[in-house]
Amino acid sequence: DGGITQSPKYLFRKEGQNVTLSCEQNLNHDAMYWYRQDPGQGLRLIYYSQIVNDFQKGDIAEGYSVSREKKESFPLTVTSAQKNPTAFYLCASMGTGSHEQYFGPGTRLTVT
Amino acid sequence: AQSVTQLDSQVPVFEEAPVELRCNYSSSVSVYLFWYVQYPNQGLQLLLKYLSGSTLVKGINGFEAEFNKSQTSFHLRKPSVHISDTAEYFCAVSYQGGKLIFGQGTELSVKP
Repeated sequence: DGGITQSPKYLFRKEGQNVTLSCEQNLNHDAMYWYRQDPGQGLRLIYYSQIVNDFQKGDIAEGYSVSREKKESFPLTVTSAQKNPTAFYLCASMGTGSHEQYFGPGTRLTVT
Repeated sequence: AQSVTQLDSQVPVFEEAPVELRCNYSSSVSVYLFWYVQYPNQGLQLLLKYLSGSTLVKGINGFEAEFNKSQTSFHLRKPSVHISDTAEYFCAVSYQGGKLIFGQGTELSVKP
């Protein structure tokens, strides 16, 4: 089955630790996106990548980093510099020429 | 800057009643418009999209939406809702290479 996988589903970390969220897609899509979801705020764009080895900051990139070494993978690192890391994180991808983003199941990160 | 406003944060409705979820966007250029649905602790699923052509768009699960350029609206409707339609619904606008701007979301609660 083609799709997007995010792992793990739930993640717990102590404050001050960096944590990496996984996102893998087998849809052969060029573009990939990371969003953060908080209650009552919708989704906000963290980083996006339109091609391998290239990525751009979204609206709330501070405290986050990404890499895009392979077409199918776009991991997100939440660093200790992110002031409020507890949230639901969603990864998405989109094919070239398409206008539809496909979303993964999400990772709920809790930092205490 | 583009923005999306979902006018109702919560919409309670009885089963088999009609429902309308309202969405307005701000844009001076042509846009692509989307409605997504999210069930608890899951990713987003595309309900329908407007790219061009007919202003009445039909989607999955019996939902439809009407694009109104003069009022910059893209309201979502269903003539008769089911308990299983209980979820959060997001309106989104696509711009600049596929990036999405989301509204704050509307929680639809269908009661028996």
